Amino acid sequence: DVKVTQSSRYLVKRTGEKVFLECVQDMDHENMFWYRQDPGLGLRLIYFSYDVKMKEKGDIPEGYSVSREKKERFSLILESASTNQTSMYLCASSMPGGWGEQYFGPGTRLTVT
Amino acid sequence: EDQVTQSPEALRLQEGESSSLNCSYTVSGLRGLFWYRQDPGKGPEFLFTLYSAGEEKEKERLKATLTKKESFLHITAPKPEDSATYLCAVELGNTDKLIFGTGTRLQVFP
Repeated sequence: DVKVTQSSRYLVKRTGEKVFLECVQDMDHENMFWYRQDPGLGLRLIYFSYDVKMKEKGDIPEGYSVSREKKERFSLILESASTNQTSMYLCASSMPGGWGEQYFGPGTRLTVT
Repeated sequence: EDQVTQSPEALRLQEGESSSLNCSYTVSGLRGLFWYRQDPGKGPEFLFTLYSAGEEKEKERLKATLTKKESFLHITAPKPEDSATYLCAVELGNTDKLIFGTGTRLQVFP
């Protein structure tokens, strides 16, 4: 079974802090994704990566950056956290060509105060 | 504008009461349509992929169908363990991305 793990289930940070969210997958998937999920807005893509050191902006990249130094690990960075970044953050991975068949982690609920 | 709309937003069913969830889409080019299940506090879990109108997929009490404008997720004789939010997503033909609907929250009561 594909397993995608995220570093924290719950996180509380203060405005202006730098926040790191880590995601690890164990199935050797090329593609990895970061989403945020908000009530009434659904899942929105922040960034994705189709290979090590490659990254592409999604629909809402402002205020975020990513890092993919190893194939199995994809990190999301909030450079200076703001209250409007309070959300559920979901990481996912998929095989090449299997863009729609994504495997998700359990999510990190981030609260910025 | 590419859009995916799910209805209803919420659905309450009695155990054994069959029903359907709808996912309608207006996109410039459809490469595939995907259904996911999401339990509270968890990430979505992949269920089905549909690629062309007329295609059907089944898994236990769930059956997904696709037309040129919408997809249905039929739930036959649901059980309380089918309670979850069901998400659909569309993969656009000209970009490598998915557009997710906002989901239907299904509650099945014994």
